[in-house]
Order: sequence, then C-alpha cells, then structure tokens
Amino acid sequence: GDSVTQMEGPVTLSEEAFLTINCTYTATGYPSLFWYVQYPGEGLQLLLKATKADDKGSNKGFEATYRKETTSFHLEKGSVQVSDSAVYFCALSDPRTYKYIFGTGTRLKVLA
Amino acid sequence: DAGVIQSPRHEVTEMGQEVTLRCKPISGHDYLFWYRQTMMRGLELLIYFNNNVPIDDSGMPEDRFSAKMPNASFSTLKIQPSEPRDSAVYFCASSREGNQPQHFGDGTRLSIL
Repeated sequence: GDSVTQMEGPVTLSEEAFLTINCTYTATGYPSLFWYVQYPGEGLQLLLKATKADDKGSNKGFEATYRKETTSFHLEKGSVQVSDSAVYFCALSDPRTYKYIFGTGTRLKVLA
Repeated sequence: DAGVIQSPRHEVTEMGQEVTLRCKPISGHDYLFWYRQTMMRGLELLIYFNNNVPIDDSGMPEDRFSAKMPNASFSTLKIQPSEPRDSAVYFCASSREGNQPQHFGDGTRLSIL
C-alpha cells in the first residue's frame, strides 16, 4: 500500500541555519503531496502542497519540490527561526479515495 | 472564516464510561475526517464522510467506536465503553472537496483512567 517515510527526529539547529527534512513516498497512482506543521497543543496546519511532478510548493520561506523520479518531497528552509520549532509532517493524498497517509513526523527544535 | 471547531478540548473520564467528541467543520466543506494521534501509532484515519455519508470506516478500531454526521455542520465520534488504550488526541478535519487540502481542528485530548 501507499506509505510515507520521514527522517527521524529530533532535529536541533541554531537560528539562521539551513533546514532539510527528508520525505520519500511510495504510491501506486499520482498522489498530491503536503507538508503540515503542528505546534504544541494545536492541530496540524497546512504548510505547503504540490499536486504534480516538478511542482514546487512554498510558504513562509519553506519549499519542497515534488520529485517523481526519486519519489521524494524534501522540505527546506534557508534560515530557520526559533518560531519554526514544531513537528513537521509529510503526507500524501490518494487521488482515488482522498485519504491521507502521514509520515511519523519530525520534531524540529531551533535554538537562539 | 472560522476554522474547524472541536469540543471538548480535554476530556478525562473513567474506564467504561461513554465518551462523545464533537466537531463542526468549516462551512461549505463537503468532506469530514476523524483522526487519532498517539505516540506509538502516529496519525491514523478513523473514518471519513462525504456530504454527511460515511465513505470509509476501515480505520475504526472496533465496534466500541462509532461516528455520525447528522448534518453538514456537525459530527460526533463516540466511544462506548471507553478503555485506557483509547487515550489519545482525536482530530477532526474538513476539506471543500476530496482533492483539496484538509483543515484540522485543535483536537480533543482524551484520557481514560
């Protein structure tokens, strides 16, 4: 079945460091891909999305490119801030059923 | 626009009691999803509705769990009887169409003693 694999956390960075969180997927069709962010005590918030191969999603300085050839959707940010500390989830959406498959989440901690 | 609204935010109850979680989706959203989040299993889809009709309940763990959507603006997830292993954060999410991003509520943190 479909699946999403994320790098294990926690990831600890200093402020202004470069961030990469790896995400790979397996899917039989052509899923949409998403990154969600979860702050403590809150629900998941959509960070960015991509719906087809080579699409680049971007928001608040975060970017991710839908790479069909490597089945990847890595999240990047050039300069992280303390306020980016949260848990980040990669997810795919099955285009037939609309069901989401989430990765296990990666906790990011940014130190001042 | 108001987001997805869940109540209660926290629920603590004793084993064997009935628990009812509530969700109000975003107005105009035709899809509603219930998830459970635990440290061990991550985020799991329990059930989802389209236009108030349950489409897929294959994620519901057992018969103790039931969900209803009597109208477009309200859904409930009920556990009866509750057990300690049901302790988790339960999220409701909605989307305008099936292929649109899901919007999540802030969740209900459920503790069964």
